[in-house]
Amino acid sequence: EPEVTQTPSHQVTQMGQEVILRCVPISNHLYFYWYRQILGQKVEFLVSFYNNEISEKSEIFDDQFSVERPDGSNFTLKIRSTKLEDSAMYFCASSEGYGLADTDTQYFGPGTRLTVL
Amino acid sequence: TQLLEQSPQFLSIQEGENLTVYCNSSSVFSSLQWYRQEPGEGPVLLVTVVTGGEVKKLKRLTFQFGDARKDSSLHITAAQPGDTGLYLCAGAFIRGGANNLFFGTGTRLTVIP
Repeated sequence: EPEVTQTPSHQVTQMGQEVILRCVPISNHLYFYWYRQILGQKVEFLVSFYNNEISEKSEIFDDQFSVERPDGSNFTLKIRSTKLEDSAMYFCASSEGYGLADTDTQYFGPGTRLTVL
Repeated sequence: TQLLEQSPQFLSIQEGENLTVYCNSSSVFSSLQWYRQEPGEGPVLLVTVVTGGEVKKLKRLTFQFGDARKDSSLHITAAQPGDTGLYLCAGAFIRGGANNLFFGTGTRLTVIP
């Protein structure tokens, strides 16, 4: 069964360093998303991406964050200068479509645990 | 920000009992998804409900979407220890051409053998 994959599973970095989190969405999906979950808190939306551009972003997704689809398979989240409060699980998700149908169901990857020291 | 409230937050029951988890919001969603999340892992999809009043069954799990598409429930019949986990509801709200999911805080279920 197709699945979303993410690498690395765990990333440790120093405050102020740049990190890139990688995701491979399900191959026939067109919509891609990043979410984060701070330990003990709920999953929060960061950004959605379609047709090589951002569709929507939350207040969390400030200028320190960027997303890119550098090739036909990868979808990346870059944090330019990490802060302590960026420590969280980051989940990538993808969906086939959007709208009032099952095609907008989002499938999540296993996550990357980011620890900022 | 769209707010989804789940209740109860914690639920501990004996094997064989029935239970219902509720997900409520003041917003209308285009669809609502239920996930189950294990510690340190990503949410795993259980079901998507789209139409107001829709009922979907997945073995011993029954999911219902409210008529007004603002609330949903998950009912588990004859709970088993393998049902133990964190159950999340997430509402899809179309903005900017893509659904953005808003998650509830989750219901942590423990089924005691």
